[in-house]
Amino acid sequence: SAVISQKPSRDICQRGTSLTIQCQVDSQVTMMFWYRQQPGQSLTLIATANQGSEATYESGFVIDKFPISRPNLTFSTLTVSNMSPEDSSIYLCSALEETQYFGPGTRLLVL
Amino acid sequence: EDQVTQSPEALRLQEGESSSLNCSYTVSGLRGLFWYRQDPGKGPEFLFTLYSAGEEKEKERLKATLTKKESFLHITAPKPEDSATYLCAVHRGFQKLVFGTGTRLLVSP
Repeated sequence: SAVISQKPSRDICQRGTSLTIQCQVDSQVTMMFWYRQQPGQSLTLIATANQGSEATYESGFVIDKFPISRPNLTFSTLTVSNMSPEDSSIYLCSALEETQYFGPGTRLLVL
Repeated sequence: EDQVTQSPEALRLQEGESSSLNCSYTVSGLRGLFWYRQDPGKGPEFLFTLYSAGEEKEKERLKATLTKKESFLHITAPKPEDSATYLCAVHRGFQKLVFGTGTRLLVSP
């Protein structure tokens, strides 16, 4: 199974700033995804990170707020832009290799 | 709209007390139903994928079953280390998963 790491593991940020989260997979994978898990809630898909092209966003999520890059088959970044306290959440990266495997998550607190 | 509902929200068991978790779903054209385990402070850990009604899969004390409208995760003689949140998700195409809100399981010694 794919082993996925994320950086940072947690952060505390000020309102109005941006944070970039990195996701690294230990093997080349066809598809990578970004999810959000708000306190006490389940996982919600933000977008599919496409290698070599723009990410595909789900309803309610936009590129200006959550720009995503995927420069190769093992790496992706998610930026949370112009943050507000409502962005406080766990952000999870996943990769498709036979099935979807998840990273450990990035715990973000916005003050 | 695709929906996944899990019950109960929380379950407390004594060690050795078997039980079942439920995941009911509505999706147009099921392409797979997934069970994950999530420990506090960690990402979901893959357990099972089920594709068609009648299918069953087992792993240690866990057994997942699937019907046309729901899935069950049976836990036989649980141990305290089985304590976690169990998540159910359905695959709705293009590898996109729709998750339920999970069942928080606590197994007491």
